[in-house]
Amino acid sequence: KNEVEQSPQNLTAQEGEFITINCSYSVGISALHWLQQHPGGGIVSLFMLSSGKKKHGRLIATINIQEKHSSLHITASHPRDSAVYICAVSPNTGNQFYFGTGTSLTVIP
Amino acid sequence: ETGVTQSPTHLIKTRGQQVTLRCSSQSGHNTVSWYQQALGQGPQFIFQYYREEENGRGNFPPRFSGLQFPNYSSELNVNALELDDSALYLCASSLERQGGQYFGPGTRLTVT
Repeated sequence: KNEVEQSPQNLTAQEGEFITINCSYSVGISALHWLQQHPGGGIVSLFMLSSGKKKHGRLIATINIQEKHSSLHITASHPRDSAVYICAVSPNTGNQFYFGTGTSLTVIP
Repeated sequence: ETGVTQSPTHLIKTRGQQVTLRCSSQSGHNTVSWYQQALGQGPQFIFQYYREEENGRGNFPPRFSGLQFPNYSSELNVNALELDDSALYLCASSLERQGGQYFGPGTRLTVT
């Protein structure tokens, strides 16, 4: 069983749609990260969360520590948002960073 | 731009050869972590270096080794390359071991 599970695995949306990607984890964490990876490219860190909610432009990330769940929302989606979105957690103990398998998002014009 | 750089960008090697990948961490960051990402998979933790010492290792064989230098840049060395070592290798730097990680653009290694 993976320590981090994401859903959906693949997502196709029309431009302008509101998008939600979900992440559940099974370990105690010090922080949760949302990452973005464009095809063939490196990884960009979008958010690091330990509680509550963060917003950056059209992106919003929320976390519920009690339920061990986080969501990434994209408002007014655009084709340039097409990428793989990865949820990752920093556990309370140890130094390994656990990654979800990613959600591949395609936004169609 | 995160300030983390990796070299080379792409590399093609033959099975059995050795390879060295390099990572320059963001200014002030003393921790570097290395990850292997096979095609279509999430990144897998290889190891972490903190202040020039190895500070944890994932499930990778000893032919994967590393170094961190006094300026906190780092190298990943892989000996006796196998076809399955073909992947994107990512490094990430952080301020302290549990800090937010800043990823480099990756090195794509192809083993033929």
